Amino acid sequence: QQQVKQSPQSLIVQKGGISIINCAYENTAFDYFPWYQQFPGKGPALLIAIRPDVSEKKEGRFTISFNKSAKQFSLHIMDSQPGDSATYFCAATGSYQLTFGKGTKLSVIP
Amino acid sequence: GAVVSQHPSRVICKSGTSVKIECRSLDFQATTMFWYRQFPKKSLMLMATSNEGSKATYEQGVEKDKFLINHASLTLSTLTVTSAHPEDSSFYICSANGLAGKYEQYFGPGTRLTVT
Repeated sequence: QQQVKQSPQSLIVQKGGISIINCAYENTAFDYFPWYQQFPGKGPALLIAIRPDVSEKKEGRFTISFNKSAKQFSLHIMDSQPGDSATYFCAATGSYQLTFGKGTKLSVIP
Repeated sequence: GAVVSQHPSRVICKSGTSVKIECRSLDFQATTMFWYRQFPKKSLMLMATSNEGSKATYEQGVEKDKFLINHASLTLSTLTVTSAHPEDSSFYICSANGLAGKYEQYFGPGTRLTVT
């Protein structure tokens, strides 16, 4: 049973545009929701994370929106750049173990 | 801060041999470390959770006698793939709980294992 559903599987965005990746979870015990960025052949890097006591968190061009009642959260990348081209994973946890989404491959084209 | 290293980054070994992968937290102490396996274009699959000084907890379907995990100190965990076979070829990634809170996990750069 996949507890974190991530969409879309792939995304192509023009340079300067907004990239939006969505995740939905089922387990109401989850209370920490990080996003990871992974480049080919590298380990995932923690990008930004949110806890359910806030509805939005912004760090630079990256924003997480969180909807507790809908059990959904999303990553917005503003002013997307070719250097943002990578695979993005959402995750969720209520303990030490992370449950990952299946990933979204983002391609930002000039 | 919160840097995790892995060694080696790439390793090629012959079928039947054993390979050891090291995972180190460089600037923090990690009471819990995790080992993941990642297939091409797939998400991360948790293999085991290791706590310093105690036996690792393996996920269902992961052979504990094949994937030996040792977490001897607060900064070092090792994964040994014993009697490796070509199907063990994969990208192995470790992570460690970070500084700010118990949930933050910081990942190593990964180790590409190829078994010939």
